[in-house]
Amino acid sequence: EADIYQTPRYLVIGTGKKITLECSQTMGHDKMYWYQQDPGMELHLIHYSYGVNSTEKGDLSSESTVSRIRTEHFPLTLESARPSHTSQYLCASSEPGQGGRYGYTFGSGTRLTVV
Amino acid sequence: AQTVTQSQPEMSVQEAETVTLSCTYDTSESDYYLFWYKQPPSRQMILVIRQEAYKQQNATENRFSVNFQKAAKSFSLKISDSQLGDAAMYFCAYRSRLGWGNKLTFGTGTQLKVEL
Repeated sequence: EADIYQTPRYLVIGTGKKITLECSQTMGHDKMYWYQQDPGMELHLIHYSYGVNSTEKGDLSSESTVSRIRTEHFPLTLESARPSHTSQYLCASSEPGQGGRYGYTFGSGTRLTVV
Repeated sequence: AQTVTQSQPEMSVQEAETVTLSCTYDTSESDYYLFWYKQPPSRQMILVIRQEAYKQQNATENRFSVNFQKAAKSFSLKISDSQLGDAAMYFCAYRSRLGWGNKLTFGTGTQLKVEL
């Protein structure tokens, strides 16, 4: 049962449009992450946050931006979508504190197609 | 930096048989966690099993078990009595225990097909 929610599940949008992918979790997790997953299925970290007002860029450069105004909410925005942004975007969160014992909880993903 | 390697892009198994997925990692740390995640087609990625590096005993979750070889830096996943529902992409992942905000490092995944 998912405690982390991503909307929309699928999105087809035209080039140049601004889009926001939503991610919310109800577990009180402080750390949240965005991954881009291409057809080859490899996961690339594009953004992460350690708490409110904390955001960092990940290992893969991305034209998207994120914000973390509330603990439970971590939206990703593309100001001007391009076909190269076509991909699946996965949101994840992990528990407070140190240790990383329990890994991540993932959302169901948003499959974005830019035409 | 840590790296995780999954050398098998695809694997196949007959229903009810056993299959082993390989994973190796590189780290200079002694205290860490290892995970196997499962991503079914068009579905949410879920945690299958995890292992704490300081525990010598291999983790087991029902039909899923691991073979953790710390010295060899190997962490394979064994699926017994394979079922059609086991067909998915499987990712091996590493997470340091030290430091605040430690992130998961994923392997490139192994696509598992289950055949009748």
